[in-house]
Amino acid sequence: EIVLAQSPATLSLSPGERATLSCRASQSVSIYLAWYQQKPGQAPRLLIYDASNRATGIPARFSGSGSGTDFTLTISSLEPEDFAVYYCQQRSNWPFTFGPGTKVDVK
Amino acid sequence: EVQLVETGGGLIQPGGSLRLSCAASGFTVSSTYMSWVRQAPGKGLEWVSVIYSGGATYYGDSVKGRFTISRDNSKNTVYLQMNNLRAEDTAVYYCTRGDYDNKAIGGWGQGTLVTVSS
Repeated sequence: EIVLAQSPATLSLSPGERATLSCRASQSVSIYLAWYQQKPGQAPRLLIYDASNRATGIPARFSGSGSGTDFTLTISSLEPEDFAVYYCQQRSNWPFTFGPGTKVDVK
Repeated sequence: EVQLVETGGGLIQPGGSLRLSCAASGFTVSSTYMSWVRQAPGKGLEWVSVIYSGGATYYGDSVKGRFTISRDNSKNTVYLQMNNLRAEDTAVYYCTRGDYDNKAIGGWGQGTLVTVSS
């Protein structure tokens, strides 16, 4: 099973600041990595697929990069609605797995 | 509009069985992969099972041999039969659909809570 590690566990920032979230895989997943956002009481929402492709309707302030084992989700300037938990997920090998999540909260 | 509606959750004793249903609208369940993802209270996401358009199925190690995913194309519905339930199966179960040529989960239901407790 491919294990995904996310860092940091919590990121405390202010609106307008840049957020950089990391996801590291225990073995190469090529570019087969997605990012999801989850707000309290809601189902997750897809942000990025295949490492760097934004899903439909996702604002340009969200960007993804990386390949192999190291990936990054960047939010260029945090909006109030961006404070949430972010998960990475790989589809390289079954079982597909999620990372433990990074919580972005208000500083 | 694409919609996924889960039903069938509830309180069940350890060792019991439960069947979750996911009624889809706005697309056909046989056209993409459908899966179940669960989230224990206050915890992260765990992929439970998937069924591909061709019928292939896969299960996470924690549920293999106990859970079965299936679909009824005539009802446009996906099911998760859960047997021999354990306390650690307690979670919100989300029905999800693949999107972007099966590259990611593009749609999620609202989730249904399964509580395994005596």
